[in-house]
Amino acid sequence: DTGVSQDPRHKITKRGQNVTFRCDPISEHNRLYWYRQTLGQGPEFLTYFQNEAQLEKSRLLSDRFSAERPKGSFSTLEIQRTEQGDSAMYLCASSWLDRGSGNTIYFGEGSWLTVV
Amino acid sequence: QQPVQSPQAVILREGEDAVINCSSSKALYSVHWYRQKHGEAPVFLMILLKGGEQKGHEKISASFNEKKQQSSLYLTASQLSYSGTYFCGTEILGSGNTGKLIFGQGTTLQVKP
Repeated sequence: DTGVSQDPRHKITKRGQNVTFRCDPISEHNRLYWYRQTLGQGPEFLTYFQNEAQLEKSRLLSDRFSAERPKGSFSTLEIQRTEQGDSAMYLCASSWLDRGSGNTIYFGEGSWLTVV
Repeated sequence: QQPVQSPQAVILREGEDAVINCSSSKALYSVHWYRQKHGEAPVFLMILLKGGEQKGHEKISASFNEKKQQSSLYLTASQLSYSGTYFCGTEILGSGNTGKLIFGQGTTLQVKP
């Protein structure tokens, strides 16, 4: 079990460019989440998948953001036409729902995005 | 709906104890506690599901009140490694057990030698 892995860890991009982040969840986990965190704040929920189905999207997720999880394995988060306000750490997390012990959610190391 | 954490910051000497509180205006399905060090991802500490529940390890434990609207994290005999920002993540009761967490604003803990 290697934990949740994210790639790239750091990305600097010019405003207006597109960026894509990849997340590989813990292998037996069927749920996958994307969160965004800015300095001094707690993580904010963006979206989540159960297997390959995207079940909820936050209103924070504008139409420039799209997430996919083909085949219920890894996931990608794409940001089109980046803006400076998109600069943040994008966190991926995964879980396996156990009705007895709950939905323990494990975070990856995060992907830092800086838009210049 | 964001839970309120208190205090916002605390400074301790090694060996001292601390309590961090997390309060919600709505009844919760679960409370999750995480510790995050600067520039790193949040690390899972524990999850509480049942009203009146208390759980944890020897020196880090947590409680969830009967009404399931407040949780406290207890750090005893603090160590330097406890330094970081502590977040509670809450799942609102009735939200469908999605695992969608709403995080508090965090409590920064600094342990000094």
